[in-house]
Amino acid sequence: DTGVSQDPRHKITKRGQNVTFRCDPISEHNRLYWYRQTLGQGPEFLTYFQNEAQLEKSRLLSDRFSAERPKGSFSTLEIQRTEQGDSAMYLCASSLIRLAGGDTGELFFGEGSRLTVL
Amino acid sequence: QKEVEQNSGPLSVPEGAIASLNCTYSDRGSQSFFWYRQYSGKSPELIMFIYSNGDKEDGRFTAQLNKASQYVSLLIRDSQPSDSATYLCAVGGGNTGFQKLVFGTGTRLLVSP
Repeated sequence: DTGVSQDPRHKITKRGQNVTFRCDPISEHNRLYWYRQTLGQGPEFLTYFQNEAQLEKSRLLSDRFSAERPKGSFSTLEIQRTEQGDSAMYLCASSLIRLAGGDTGELFFGEGSRLTVL
Repeated sequence: QKEVEQNSGPLSVPEGAIASLNCTYSDRGSQSFFWYRQYSGKSPELIMFIYSNGDKEDGRFTAQLNKASQYVSLLIRDSQPSDSATYLCAVGGGNTGFQKLVFGTGTRLLVSP
């Protein structure tokens, strides 16, 4: 396993279309996160899963956004009725919870999926 | 007030010099602190993390944490042109919980040959 993989790497779509991104985390990692990053800004938290449970969603995540991690492995992030303001890099990250030692918070990022909404 | 603040730069240093990158955070209960490096168009990659007050060294990199001042820094010794990138400070724990990291906007570092 070479790391977190994301697909597609680039997506260009027209406003109003739906798009879906996929993330495959590092295989032994049980936490998966989605972040969004726009030019000149740091990554902004969107949501995270522990195994298949979605435990937190940011206020940034409007009802047009939905994320799933059905079997606790890969995750999908869908954006419905895209808007130009959705143009950004969507970053997936994963981490491992150490049951004995607690959460270190260290995230491993994928290469990102860049979305351009025309 | 932003939760994690960094000077956006660019910070320009000559090759071989020490680059000093700074970060302040607002949540006094924060417990974990990370420095990520991000090359243009690429995803962030972890350089160092620090949890306790004081210094932590790893090769050419030293992270410094002062919880009383809510300040964390990254020193890069013997800077190389390949170190030119944006450096993101990220903070976890506290009110945000360990579940997510809050990132600053990053400091752009330029190392000239």
